[in-house]
Amino acid sequence: QQQVKQSPQSLIVQKGGIPIINCAYENTAFDYFPWYQQFPGKGPALLIAIRPDVSEKKEGRFTISFNKSAKQFSLHIMDSQPGDSATYFCAASRGGTASKLTFGTGTRLQVTL
Amino acid sequence: EPEVTQTPSHQVTQMGQEVILRCVPISNHLYFYWYRQILGQKVEFLVSFYNNEISEKSEIFDDQFSVERPDGSNFTLKIRSTKLEDSAMYFCASSIPGAGGGEQYFGPGTRLTVT
Repeated sequence: QQQVKQSPQSLIVQKGGIPIINCAYENTAFDYFPWYQQFPGKGPALLIAIRPDVSEKKEGRFTISFNKSAKQFSLHIMDSQPGDSATYFCAASRGGTASKLTFGTGTRLQVTL
Repeated sequence: EPEVTQTPSHQVTQMGQEVILRCVPISNHLYFYWYRQILGQKVEFLVSFYNNEISEKSEIFDDQFSVERPDGSNFTLKIRSTKLEDSAMYFCASSIPGAGGGEQYFGPGTRLTVT
């Protein structure tokens, strides 16, 4: 019940395309859902996050869509660029402070020219 | 922009040896975490720490692991007797209290190699 399932495992899109990465959770106590971007040899960097009281959040070219009834959320990257090539992790937590993050398995995104 | 720093970037140790991984969290953050990532796998929670005590720990964080905030700036993870399976990237993270789930900011990690 603590798992966060993420798909696809890898994704290749052309420059300008819109990659979509999906995550699903089971624990209804989760109420904070961040996405992290990780480049090789680096730590995860917080990209964007959403709480379940909204269905969508946009920050720049990154959008999270959230479906509370389906317990699913997804990351869309608009106008993707080669510099977006990285591994993306979704995560979830019970919110509040000092609450552990439960990570998905990651999606390796490659944006080609 | 403030960031979490970690030292060393790479630590090689022999099985059975003790290692200490060091972190300097963002200065106004009050909550501290350790995570690990085995090569090619997902990031896994180890422990959270607040007000000089452990808030939560995972089943991975057994008696071989300990954490400490020895002064006002450092946060350390000690592994008393390393095993081969402890080889991983270890990430420190920190967050501030408040709404929003306590956004956690990660350091660059320490690659631990146990031989």
